Amino acid sequence: DIQMTQSPSSLSASVGDRVSITCRASQNINKYLNWYQQKPGKAPKFLIYAASSLQSGVPSRFNGSGSGTDFTLTISSLQPEDFATYYCQKSYTPYTFGQGTKLEVK
Amino acid sequence: QVQLQESGPGLVKPSETLSLTCTVSGASINSNYWSWIRQTPGKGLEWIGYIDYSGTTNYSPSLKSRISIRLDTSKTQFSLKLSSVTPADTGIYFCARMDLYNSIWFSYFDSWGQGTLVTVSS
Repeated sequence: DIQMTQSPSSLSASVGDRVSITCRASQNINKYLNWYQQKPGKAPKFLIYAASSLQSGVPSRFNGSGSGTDFTLTISSLQPEDFATYYCQKSYTPYTFGQGTKLEVK
Repeated sequence: QVQLQESGPGLVKPSETLSLTCTVSGASINSNYWSWIRQTPGKGLEWIGYIDYSGTTNYSPSLKSRISIRLDTSKTQFSLKLSSVTPADTGIYFCARMDLYNSIWFSYFDSWGQGTLVTVSS
């Protein structure tokens, strides 16, 4: 099975910062990559599909990039509501998630 | 607006079968794909399987021997059965709608239930 590895596991930042989270696939997955945001006690929220396409309603400060094995989620200017855990996910079966990156307040 | 709600026992004994139901509203269960995902301390977010509108299923290879997912269109529900549970199956179980962008290769989970905690313990 293809493994998805995120880095870092946790990240401290401040409101207004630009942050990036990396997701690496153990094999080439082209652009078959989604991103989710999860807040404590809540279900994940779908953000980005096909590596770089924003789901409707997701703020434009979220940006996805990459293809092949290396992908990045960038938040251009952190807002208070963005502090959460982020997951990448391979978009074809078997669906595999990364282990998550916890974005915390510095 | 699509809404999903999980229901079922919160406590299951080891070796027994975990049974959960997801009730769907705001969308036709006769379209799309319907999935189960869990979040456990040991493995994080883990896809369990899905069932499509025709009743065709696709299961995680690691859980395939223990899983059954069924669709009940008359009740707009779908269900999960996971047999021979162990404490490693303890976690939050989510049901979710799976949608596609152009093809099944671009699948994503765009609507989720709130999740239900299932504990496996004697």
